[in-house]
Amino acid sequence: DGGITQSPKYLFRKEGQNVTLSCEQNLNHDAMYWYRQDPGQGLRLIYYSQIVNDFQKGDIAEGYSVSREKKESFPLTVTSAQKNPTAFYLCASSIHSISTVYNEQFFGPGTRLTVL
Amino acid sequence: KNQVEQSPQSLIILEGKNCTLQCNYTVSPFSNLRWYKQDTGRGPVSLTIMTFSENTKSNGRYTATLDADTKQSSLHITASQLSDSASYICVVSLSDQTGANNLFFGTGTRLTVIP
Repeated sequence: DGGITQSPKYLFRKEGQNVTLSCEQNLNHDAMYWYRQDPGQGLRLIYYSQIVNDFQKGDIAEGYSVSREKKESFPLTVTSAQKNPTAFYLCASSIHSISTVYNEQFFGPGTRLTVL
Repeated sequence: KNQVEQSPQSLIILEGKNCTLQCNYTVSPFSNLRWYKQDTGRGPVSLTIMTFSENTKSNGRYTATLDADTKQSSLHITASQLSDSASYICVVSLSDQTGANNLFFGTGTRLTVIP
């Protein structure tokens, strides 16, 4: 998975709880991303960060929060405000955020979150 | 509206057979198109990437084609193997865009190769 690790692989959450998903990369990439994947749908962008201490909302940011205190790390918190959090969450990174032929997004192995 | 559509949704083939997956897009202005392979429970891995000027790209038994005029791409898998069982995702990028809201993902084709 190209030097990106995500943990845990499986996560169970009770309703009303916040949970944090970890994403770490050792590729020295500036840009990092969080996507959500649901059956029958394409990946949807939750948040992205182009550089340390900066991040922007994606298409479905409501109920999620992120931080980017270190270049290597981009944790995602799924808050109790997210009404349908059960999904497969993918973290990715790229050299920078401009999509070019030479700027591939490398994906982590994913975290499957289930709300009980 | 920028969209990426893939067909078929799912496909079952016998080991050793060939197959072709389709991707149609309306993304404009176009920068590049990637095909990703995603094994169950894993992250996607890039197979090929093509720009506007390229109409074919191979990676082993995988061959992607691109017709930028009709905005269509295909991924051809030759002599399929059991390990080809996965979802194949087409991703199209906008050009001249900074930030991350410049990628458009198809819903994928789920390929199952049976012995």
